[in-house]
Amino acid sequence: AQKITQTQPGMFVQEKEAVTLDCTYDTSDQSYGLFWYKQPSSGEMIFLIYQGSYDEQNATEGRYSLNFQKARKSANLVISASQLGDSAMYFCAMREGRRGSARQLTFGSGTQLTVLP
Amino acid sequence: GAVVSQHPSRVICKSGTSVKIECRSLDFQATTMFWYRQFPKQSLMLMATSNEGSKATYEQGVEKDKFLINHASLTLSTLTVTSAHPEDSSFYICSARVTGGAGNEQFFGPGTRLTVL
Repeated sequence: AQKITQTQPGMFVQEKEAVTLDCTYDTSDQSYGLFWYKQPSSGEMIFLIYQGSYDEQNATEGRYSLNFQKARKSANLVISASQLGDSAMYFCAMREGRRGSARQLTFGSGTQLTVLP
Repeated sequence: GAVVSQHPSRVICKSGTSVKIECRSLDFQATTMFWYRQFPKQSLMLMATSNEGSKATYEQGVEKDKFLINHASLTLSTLTVTSAHPEDSSFYICSARVTGGAGNEQFFGPGTRLTVL
């Protein structure tokens, strides 16, 4: 079974609007971390936001927020006030195990976001 | 955030030759580095976990004799693609975790685009 599922291969959003990128995950671990990365066409992976499984509040980083719904096993990324520079591939990822675990990240298939002027 | 560099950023080689890709953590020590492979418009697939001073751990289906990994120091890991073939053409990305840190973030290199003719 897929550990990380991103059901939106592509998304379009109007500049200055908000957009939600979906991510669901599957794990039997009680401790895990959820990550979102942005990959522009240049290829580098840019860390955006992190949510720990025991974090009670949703993570926020500037225009990025993570809508963490533990019971539903979803960790959607919300980008507010979209900018043209937000156009990129976005990957959701999970690391199982406790904070600082040496386990590797497992990535979803990605969502290509295009911001329209 | 911490900086991870990769060299070269792009390489074109003839079939049958070997190619070495370097991954360096520039301002931190990394006991563990990860090597990923990414085909166009696809997700990152973990190839192997590189541990300083010990043998790398390869993911299922990755040939360890073809993809040689050496993690000689806390700041350098190398991936050598031996006897490269056109099907090895891909985007290779390394990633490093901070030794002794909280471990929430995993920093990625800018990637190396390999084209085998």
